[in-house]
Amino acid sequence: AQSVAQPEDQVNVAEGNPLTVKCTYSVSGNPYLFWYVQYPNRGLQFLLKYITGDNLVKGSYGFEAEFNKSQTSFHLKKPSALVSDSALYFCAVSLDSNYQLIWGAGTKLIIKP
Amino acid sequence: DGGITQSPKYLFRKEGQNVTLSCEQNLNHDAMYWYRQDPGQGLRLIYYSQIVNDFQKGDIAEGYSVSREKKESFPLTVTSAQKNPTAFYLCASSIPGATLAPTGELFFGEGSRLTVL
Repeated sequence: AQSVAQPEDQVNVAEGNPLTVKCTYSVSGNPYLFWYVQYPNRGLQFLLKYITGDNLVKGSYGFEAEFNKSQTSFHLKKPSALVSDSALYFCAVSLDSNYQLIWGAGTKLIIKP
Repeated sequence: DGGITQSPKYLFRKEGQNVTLSCEQNLNHDAMYWYRQDPGQGLRLIYYSQIVNDFQKGDIAEGYSVSREKKESFPLTVTSAQKNPTAFYLCASSIPGATLAPTGELFFGEGSRLTVL
């Protein structure tokens, strides 16, 4: 079965420290990978995507993610966390042969001052 | 500004009632989607539409219905057949990719929170 896993329900980071939100996937075929962010009681906002090319993808608000094909991972990173980064983060994958996105369960990121 | 508008933001329903959630977009996107979000779960696809007058069932279509009479509008009706309708509902749109895969990002509305009393 095709799936996306976000192994941490919650990640706590001190402001100014680097942050990582993990995502692994299990799909057949070539994956397209996405990260979205959701603030409380709001819709989701697109952060970044990997389609092809450079494995390191840069996105909005200083976030970046690295596609690792051998480890089937697409971890979200930021060098220096801000309190305003506190939100719910979703990883998603689609296939070049499928019109639907497969979503992870989400990781709550808490940045403490 | 272009975007997706969902209404109402909050809705309360008595058991046995049908309710309709509105979704309007002015992004000129062909594809539109309805997702359901429950705490601790990823988004689950209810219905999607790639073009006017056409729509497809997603993973959890039972108890829901949609229409796509105009490119800008994709309303969702939660029927009395939906056994557990209390949830946060998200509408989204995108430009379909050349291979029909959503290689472009989704644009989301602000969501509608439905509570069944």
